[in-house]
Amino acid sequence: DADVTQTPRNRITKTGKRIMLECSQTKGHDRMYWYRQDPGLGLRLIYYSFDVKDINKGEISDGYSVSRQAQAKFSLSLESAIPNQTALYFCATSDPGASDTGELFFGEGSRLTVL
Amino acid sequence: KQEVTQIPAALSVPEGENLVLNCSFTDSAIYNLQWFRQDPGKGLTSLLLIQSSQREQTSGRLNASLDKSSGRSTLYIAASQPGDSATYLCAVRANQAGTALIFGKGTTLSVSS
Repeated sequence: DADVTQTPRNRITKTGKRIMLECSQTKGHDRMYWYRQDPGLGLRLIYYSFDVKDINKGEISDGYSVSRQAQAKFSLSLESAIPNQTALYFCATSDPGASDTGELFFGEGSRLTVL
Repeated sequence: KQEVTQIPAALSVPEGENLVLNCSFTDSAIYNLQWFRQDPGKGLTSLLLIQSSQREQTSGRLNASLDKSSGRSTLYIAASQPGDSATYLCAVRANQAGTALIFGKGTTLSVSS
């Protein structure tokens, strides 16, 4: 089983619908992140969380919200989806640990299409 | 604001060739730099991580170098194979207590047999 699991892997929805993307991890890492990837734009940070009580906005948080339900779970919500939120979404984790390398570990991605 | 650039955007080479992928960043005050591989429709796999105090890291046929003062990193792939075909991304981390990684847009490598 993957260490970082994202659900759903693919989703097609309509404009205005509420969508939740879920991420769970078995790596025991405190830090979790949501990125989106668009052709020609690379990966951009949406939100990140350094622990259950710490949530921070990233570069492109408008139109998104997150919930850190537990150390292992970090969900991304689109309250009212719009077509330009069509993208590949990635969850990632890292562990500060003793060395705090900041190395990121990614899930397989969730492809979202908003019609 | 940190910006990360990868050149070229795409590269095609014949099998067996040695190649270099380039990554540049605008702010030299980085904590570390990480190289990833992404296969089509897949997530990112970490290849190498170089701390700011290091000059290079090696893993198998891969060697990554870091020159902080000039804002550059290179990923050297020796004896390329068709299985190396993928998109390679570099990302920098600004500081230990800071935000997450800032990514370049990647170089898409195609190795022909």
